[in-house]
Amino acid sequence: NAGVTQTPKFRILKIGQSMTLQCTQDMNHNYMYWYRQDPGMGLKLIYYSVGAGITDKGEVPNGYNVSRSTTEDFPLRLELAAPSQTSVYFCASSYPSGNNEQFFGPGTRLTVL
Amino acid sequence: DAKTTQPTSMDCAEGRAANLPCNHSTISGNEYVYWYRQIHSQGPQYIIHGLKNNETNEMASLIITEDRKSSTLILPHATLRDTAVYYCIVRVKSGGGADGLTFGKGTHLIIQP
Repeated sequence: NAGVTQTPKFRILKIGQSMTLQCTQDMNHNYMYWYRQDPGMGLKLIYYSVGAGITDKGEVPNGYNVSRSTTEDFPLRLELAAPSQTSVYFCASSYPSGNNEQFFGPGTRLTVL
Repeated sequence: DAKTTQPTSMDCAEGRAANLPCNHSTISGNEYVYWYRQIHSQGPQYIIHGLKNNETNEMASLIITEDRKSSTLILPHATLRDTAVYYCIVRVKSGGGADGLTFGKGTHLIIQP
C-alpha cells in the first residue's frame, strides 16, 4: 500500500491564483482530513469527510473548498490565494474503528507571494 | 476535547529512556490520551493511546496516572531517529473521531549522541 499520497510536494502561487491540492489514499478509509501547519505551530483542521459525498468544516475552513466524490480522493481547493495561506498542508485518513489512528501524507508546502 | 500542557523542549542522551510528560487536568471520563510525533518536515505519526491503564507497544509505553490528570510517554531506548516533536492529544474515541485531531505545539525532543 502507498498509504496517503499528496501532490504536489511544493508550489508557489501568486496572490489571487487558484489551485487544487490532491490527496489519495489506498487503505479504503472512510474518514479523510485536511490540516494546515504554520511554522512552529501544531496542525489545524481545515475540512474533513466521513465518506463519499459528505464533507464538513473544521477549525479554519475560510478560503478553502473540498469535495469527496470517491472513497479514495479528497482534493482541497484554494480559489483566491492569499499570503495568509502560506503553510504546509497535510492530508490524513482513518478508519472509524479500532484505535482511531490517523495516517498522514507527506505534505504539500505552499507559498503565496 | 480537553486541553493539554507539554514542555516546549527536552533533551535526552542516545540509548537512555526518554520520558515525555503531559498534563490534561480537565480530561473527561470518556476521553483517551493519544500520542503522535512529527519528524522534521514529515506528516505526524501515531505512537500509542490509552484510556486509564498503562499501555505498551513496539514503539513506546504510556503511563497514565490513577486520577488521569497526567500521563508520560516513555521511549525506552532513544535513538537519534527519535528526534521529533511529540504531541499529546486528548479526545473521545467513539464515533471514529471524525472531527479530526486538535494539535498543540507539542514537545520538541532532541536526542543527543
